[in-house]
Amino acid sequence: GAVVSQHPSRVICKSGTSVKIECRSLDFQATTMFWYRQFPKQSLMLMATSNEGSKATYEQGVEKDKFLINHASLTLSTLTVTSAHPEDSSFYICSARFGGNEKLFFGSGTQLSVL
Amino acid sequence: QQQVKQSPQSLIVQKGGISIINCAYENTAFDYFPWYQQFPGKGPALLIAIRPDVSEKKEGRFTISFNKSAKQFSLHIMDSQPGDSATYFCAATPTGNQFYFGTGTSLTVIP
Repeated sequence: GAVVSQHPSRVICKSGTSVKIECRSLDFQATTMFWYRQFPKQSLMLMATSNEGSKATYEQGVEKDKFLINHASLTLSTLTVTSAHPEDSSFYICSARFGGNEKLFFGSGTQLSVL
Repeated sequence: QQQVKQSPQSLIVQKGGISIINCAYENTAFDYFPWYQQFPGKGPALLIAIRPDVSEKKEGRFTISFNKSAKQFSLHIMDSQPGDSATYFCAATPTGNQFYFGTGTSLTVIP
C-alpha cells in the first residue's frame, strides 16, 4: 500500500516559537493532501486541503496565517504552526491521495506540545 | 452538522466475539465509504471500503454491510482479537476531495 511519512512524530516547543511538520508521500504522487487536527478521544477535524502548486483551502475557523501550509511538490507538504501557544497543543495528522483515487493514506501523526 | 453519525462511542467485546459498529449518513451524493483503524499515537489506516453498488464486502475477518435505502453501513469484525483493540472511524466522500468522518468507536477486546 501507499506510504505517507510524517515527521516529527513528537515535538515539544516553547510558547512563541514556530514548528514545521513534514508530510511526504514515499511511493506515489500526492495530488491532494489534507491536514487534520485531533484532540484526545475525538474525531479528525479537517484543517485544510492543499493541491500541489496551489494555495491551501482552509476550513472555517482555521487561521491561515497561523497554520501555514505549503504543498510545493507532489511528494511533500508542510504545516508550519507559527508563534505556537499552549492551546495549539494537539495531534496533527496529514493524509494524501493521488489522482482520481479515493483512497486516503495517512501519516503517523505528530504530537505537538507547546509549553 | 455531523454528516456521518457513528455508534456506539465505545464497545467492549470478548475475544472471539463479533464487534459491530454502525454508521449513518444523509447525503446521497456520497459514493465511497471507507473504514479506518487507529491505534493510540498513530495515524488512521485504511481497513476496508465499499461503494454503494454492493451490499457487502468482506476482507478476512472484516466485513462491511451496506444498506443504500436506509443510508446506513456497518463494520463487522468476526472472531475479534485483543490486537483489534483500537479506535475505528467510518467515513464517506462524494468525490474523494472531501471526506466526512464519524466520531469514532473505541473498541476493546477482552482476552
